[in-house]
Order: sequence, then structure tokens, then C-alpha cells
Amino acid sequence: DTGVSQDPRHKITKRGQNVTFRCDPISEHNRLYWYRQTLGQGPEFLTYFQNEAQLEKSRLLSDRFSAERPKGSFSTLEIQRTEQGDSAMYLCASSGRQGPYNYNEQFFGPGTRLTVL
Amino acid sequence: ELKVEQNPLFLSMQEGKNYTIYCNYSTTSDRLYWYRQDPGKSLESLFVLLSNGAVKQEGRLMASLDTKARLSTLHITAAVHDLSATYFCAVPRGYGNKLVFGAGTILRVKS
Repeated sequence: DTGVSQDPRHKITKRGQNVTFRCDPISEHNRLYWYRQTLGQGPEFLTYFQNEAQLEKSRLLSDRFSAERPKGSFSTLEIQRTEQGDSAMYLCASSGRQGPYNYNEQFFGPGTRLTVL
Repeated sequence: ELKVEQNPLFLSMQEGKNYTIYCNYSTTSDRLYWYRQDPGKSLESLFVLLSNGAVKQEGRLMASLDTKARLSTLHITAAVHDLSATYFCAVPRGYGNKLVFGAGTILRVKS
């Protein structure tokens, strides 16, 4: 399967602990996005990468959040000192280079559901 | 700031009936996306609408885009139970096409 994959699918942690999520985009997609979705809401943009460069971070991304995409392949999202308000589904998406037949459609992974106790 | 509004937020339909979900957005955009989400699952791309007047159909779903009115519609024809899900519209914002999503429309099709 060549779709977007995320790991882990579920994470339960205690408040104050650090957690790290991984996203593997579709091969050769140069853009990778992180979104957060809370219950009953649409996904909200957190940050995105073009190749290895992190080009934009949402104001939703507090100092406790950090994301990386070394070598422009997979990406990690780390949350330090987790709080109960961090409980959400964290979604990763990727999109390919612009071209005559590529519409920058974003393909989403299965998500990581985080529960902070 | 780009805002995307969907209505209705909840729709309960009888099988076989037709209905339309509306998506309004606040700033100029020439493209719009529709996604479907099943409970506990990720988002599945349904339609990519790229220009004013674009219309796309897949099975019992048809989506259209009016960029001048900043409006997209998702029309459901002769609903079946399998269409029960949450439907989101999303509009890209700025360089990098970050998506701004509506709140979603929860669709329940009753037999």
C-alpha cells in the first residue's frame, strides 16, 4: 500500500508525559501537513513542510509542540508535557508537486488518536 | 481570515430521498475539496473542484462549485444507508494550500 501511514494509531498517556507521532507520506510527495481534529469538529491546520523545510506553523502550535521532517521523507510530531486539552486525533496528509495534472490534493493518513489522562 | 461554513450540521434522511449540503466560504478561492469521514476513521477524498462552474459526480453524490457566490453544494440523490458519514468541505488558504475545513455535516440515512 502506498498511502499515507501513521504510527501509532492510538496513544494513551498521562498528563505531563511526552509523546511522539510519526507520519510516512506517499512516496515522492514533497508536501506534508499535520492537522488536529477534536470531537465534532473539522480538522485544523497545525504545520506543514515542503521537503525538509517547515514553512508555516499555526498559532495553535504552542511551544510544547515540535515537528520535524529530516531528509524530506517521514515526519515526527512531538508534544512535550502533555495536557488534557491535547487529546485529539492528529492527522497527517501529503500532496505532490504542482503540475498540469496534479491539483495539490491532500491525501490523509489514518490518524493517531491521543488520549491524555 | 478565511472562514468555511457548512449547513446543515446534522441531516437525517430517509432512504430514497434527495438532499443538498451547502458550503460557503468567506474569501476568494478557485478550488474546493469535499471529504468523507466515517466514525473513528480518517478522511477520504470525494471531490476536487478546480474552477468556477465545476461539477463532479460519483454514484449518488454530485458536487458543484460557484466561485463568484463562494458556494459549493454536495447533492445526494436517492440516499442509501451506506452514505451515512460526516462530510467536510475544505478550502485551501495561501501558499502551500493549507486546508480550512467546515465543521462538517453529519448525515444519517434511515431505512
